[in-house]
Amino acid sequence: GIQVEQSPPDLILQEGANSTLRCNFSDSVNNLQWFHQNPWGQLINLFYIPSGTKQNGRLSATTVATERYSLLYISSSQTTDSGVYFCAVRRNNDMRFGAGTRLTVKP
Amino acid sequence: GAGVSQSPSNKVTEKGKDVELRCDPISGHTALYWYRQSLGQGLEFLIYFQGNSAPDKSGLPSDRFSAERTGGSVSTLTIQRTQQEDSAVYLCASSRGTGSNEQYFGPGTRLTVT
Repeated sequence: GIQVEQSPPDLILQEGANSTLRCNFSDSVNNLQWFHQNPWGQLINLFYIPSGTKQNGRLSATTVATERYSLLYISSSQTTDSGVYFCAVRRNNDMRFGAGTRLTVKP
Repeated sequence: GAGVSQSPSNKVTEKGKDVELRCDPISGHTALYWYRQSLGQGLEFLIYFQGNSAPDKSGLPSDRFSAERTGGSVSTLTIQRTQQEDSAVYLCASSRGTGSNEQYFGPGTRLTVT
């Protein structure tokens, strides 16, 4: 099946800093989503972005499908951004999640 | 409904007992997915339903696991003869349909097998 790798596995930031999270995948995909899992375990949709660039407030994402990667940018990070960020890709009926990036934002 | 709902939110059961977990997808969503997330791990795909098609069961870890979806809406994941390694959060998601549709997740059911 398709392989999904996320980096870095862990990231510690000071409040206000910017960061870039990366998702690499091993094959062409129909679907790519970024999720934030908050400390209570809820998975929250951030972006549905099989290709192109999207922005939502302090967050933006870019997927370069031809090169099989996606980037999630977090600007001016806040403590509430802490949690695990997952990239999920889908190729036909095969849905795979990366192992996630655990982000800790310190005040 | 407004979002995907799951019940119960927490379930503690003794080893060897059977459990049923329920998922109510977003109204009108024809695709439904079950995942499992063990402590500190990523999500593991279990099973996928799309409309009236035969479900994709390729992720079910053993024959103790089964799932049904009645009337194209509510789904039940059943684990028979539970084992301690079944302890995890079981997450359900739904999407509008096939192909490139965005998934929306429920809050999950935390299962603890003692």
